[in-house]
Amino acid sequence: AQSVTQLGSHVSVSEGALVLLRCNYSSSVPPYLFWYVQYPNQGLQLLLKYTSAATLVKGINGFEAEFKKSETSFHLTKPSAHMSDAAEYFCATMDSNYQLIWGAGTKLIIKP
Amino acid sequence: NAGVTQTPKFQVLKTGQSMTLQCAQDMNHNSMYWYRQDPGMGLRLIYYSASEGTTDKGEVPNGYNVSRLNKREFSLRLESAAPSQTSVYFCASSGGYSGSGGTYNEQFFGPGTRLTVL
Repeated sequence: AQSVTQLGSHVSVSEGALVLLRCNYSSSVPPYLFWYVQYPNQGLQLLLKYTSAATLVKGINGFEAEFKKSETSFHLTKPSAHMSDAAEYFCATMDSNYQLIWGAGTKLIIKP
Repeated sequence: NAGVTQTPKFQVLKTGQSMTLQCAQDMNHNSMYWYRQDPGMGLRLIYYSASEGTTDKGEVPNGYNVSRLNKREFSLRLESAAPSQTSVYFCASSGGYSGSGGTYNEQFFGPGTRLTVL
């Protein structure tokens, strides 16, 4: 069965520093991978998705993620953190029934 | 264009009470979903409806029932609420999977319903 592991329930970075949120998935051919963001007291919205077109995927708000098949990873990065990036981030993959399988989430904390 | 709407936003129930959570989407999506979100557990799928007239169980269906009333509306019912059902409930919709070689359409989420069962 497909699964997603997000390393670190909380990640803290300083404003202006690199953001790196880690996601590893169990193999699925082809893998469909997603990053969603949830701001406080809101629903989730799509940041970006990988559907095998390109290994480096660019999303909204300056985020991007790189699909690495050899490492079964799909880490999310942003070169320079902004206070408005504080939120919870979820990685997800799709199972054989085309349903999303979610990671546990990583809360991103931005220090001024 | 409101996207996905959910009512109510907050609800407090006593053990054994029943209630229905309402969800509607105005994006003409075929697929709709109900999730619950609990701290440290991500989102867990309760039920989904791939198209109007069909519903299927997800990962955690026990204690819940659903109705796909029409293409726009998908309701979630708790017949006899239990404290273990205290959670935040999200409804989502999507255009669904396009088919072999196609792309998976993203899911759009509502703002959530915060339910407490005492």
